[in-house]
Amino acid sequence: GIQVEQSPPDLILQEGANSTLRCNFSDSVNNLQWFHQNPWGQLINLFYIPSGTKQNGRLSATTVATERYSLLYISSSQTTDSGVYFCAVSGSYQLTFGKGTKLSVIP
Amino acid sequence: NAGVMQNPRHLVRRRGQEARLRCSPMKGHSHVYWYRQLPEEGLKFMVYLQKENIIDESGMPKERFSAEFPKEGPSILRIQQVVRGDSAAYFCASSQGTASYNEQFFGPGTRLTVL
Repeated sequence: GIQVEQSPPDLILQEGANSTLRCNFSDSVNNLQWFHQNPWGQLINLFYIPSGTKQNGRLSATTVATERYSLLYISSSQTTDSGVYFCAVSGSYQLTFGKGTKLSVIP
Repeated sequence: NAGVMQNPRHLVRRRGQEARLRCSPMKGHSHVYWYRQLPEEGLKFMVYLQKENIIDESGMPKERFSAEFPKEGPSILRIQQVVRGDSAAYFCASSQGTASYNEQFFGPGTRLTVL
C-alpha cells in the first residue's frame, strides 16, 4: 500500500512565527487531504489538494504530484493552531494517514 | 448544512458488552467510511460502505466487528464482546462520490472506553 511520511514529527513555535510541514508519499495518488486534529480530538478539514496550490487565510498548501510531496504552510501562528496536522492520501478510496506533525504554539 | 454526525460522542463499556456507534453522513453524501485511531497511533481505515452495500472491509478485524449502512437511517459500526484493546476513537467520514476524486469529511468521532 501507499506509504506516507510526515516531517517534522514535533514542532514548537513562538506565537507569530511561520512554519512548513511536509508530507511525502510513495505512489501516485488521486486524493490528498490535510487535516488539523485539535486538542479536543476533532478532525478539521484544511485542504483537499491532490495537486496545485491553495490558500485559506494564514494557511496555504502545495502538492507536487509528480514528485510525490505536499507542503502545508502556516504563517503568523497562533496558539489555536496547536494540535496535530495529518496528511492523508488515497490511490483509490481509502485514505492512508501519515503519523502527523504535533505542533505546539507558545505565547 | 449539518456536517457528519456521530453519536454517542463518548461510550463506556465493560469487557464483554456490545458497542454500537452511529454515523449520519452529510446531506447528499452516499459514501461512508469508518476509521479507527488507537492511542498514540495514526488513523487506520476500517470499512467503506454505500447504501445497503459493503464495498471494502479489508481494514476491519475479522471477528467481533461488523458494519452496515441501511437504506434508511445511519450507518452503524457494531463491536461485539468488547475487549480493552478496542478502546480508541472511531471516526466516520462521508463523501459525495467515490473518494478516489472526492473529498472526505469527518465527523467528531466516538471515543470508546472499555473498562
